[in-house]
Amino acid sequence: GAVVSQHPSRVICKSGTSVKIECRSLDFQATTMFWYRQFPKQSLMLMATSNEGSKATYEQGVEKDKFLINHASLTLSTLTVTSAHPEDSSFYICSASGGTSGSVYEQYFGPGTRLTVT
Amino acid sequence: KNQVEQSPQSLIILEGKNCTLQCNYTVSPFSNLRWYKQDTGRGPVSLTIMTFSENTKSNGRYTATLDADTKQSSLHITASQLSDSASYICVVSASGANNLFFGTGTRLTVIP
Repeated sequence: GAVVSQHPSRVICKSGTSVKIECRSLDFQATTMFWYRQFPKQSLMLMATSNEGSKATYEQGVEKDKFLINHASLTLSTLTVTSAHPEDSSFYICSASGGTSGSVYEQYFGPGTRLTVT
Repeated sequence: KNQVEQSPQSLIILEGKNCTLQCNYTVSPFSNLRWYKQDTGRGPVSLTIMTFSENTKSNGRYTATLDADTKQSSLHITASQLSDSASYICVVSASGANNLFFGTGTRLTVIP
C-alpha cells in the first residue's frame, strides 16, 4: 500500500515551453502533497506544500508564478513548470501524506521526474 | 536553526562487509527520524522511522539507532550487497508540522 506515482518519468523540452508533471496517490487519499527538487549530488529541497482544494504554500525563493501547483483532488497534484529554462533542469519528486492507507505523518515519495530543458 | 548533518559524504565498501552511517540533527521540537534509501534516478524509499521513545529499529539487514539526548542516529548495514549501493538520507520531522528536514545523504558504493 501507500504507492505514489509520477508521470512522466522523464521529459525533455525546449526552452520557453511549459511542462506539466503529475503526482498521484494510487491507494490512499492524500490530504497534503509536497513537491521537491533535487540537483545532482544534493539532497531534496522542498519547493511547495499543497493541501487539497487550497492554494499551495511555496518555500522562500520559489517563484509561484513559474511553478504552478494544482491539488484539485485527494489523489492528484500537478506541477507545471512555465517558460522553462535550462536552469530548471532537475529531478522533481513529489510526496503524499495522509489518508485511508497512509499514516497521517508519513510521507510517501514518488519515483521522480527527470526534467531536461534544452 | 533546524539542521541535519550526515557523515561520511561517501563510502566505498566490499561486498559482504558491514558499515555504519551517521546522522546528527538539531531539529526541535523533535517528532521522528527516518532513514531513506534513494537509488540513482529514483525517489526515496523508507527504511525505518523512529519516534522519541524508540532507540533502535531494524528492517532486514538495516538497523537504525536513535539517541534523542545527543540528537544522533546511525544506520548500520549488515552483510552488504551490491544492491545496497545508493544514497542514504536521514530525515528529521519536527513536531506539529508535516515538513521534513533532509540531510545531504551518504553515497554508499558496494564493490565486488
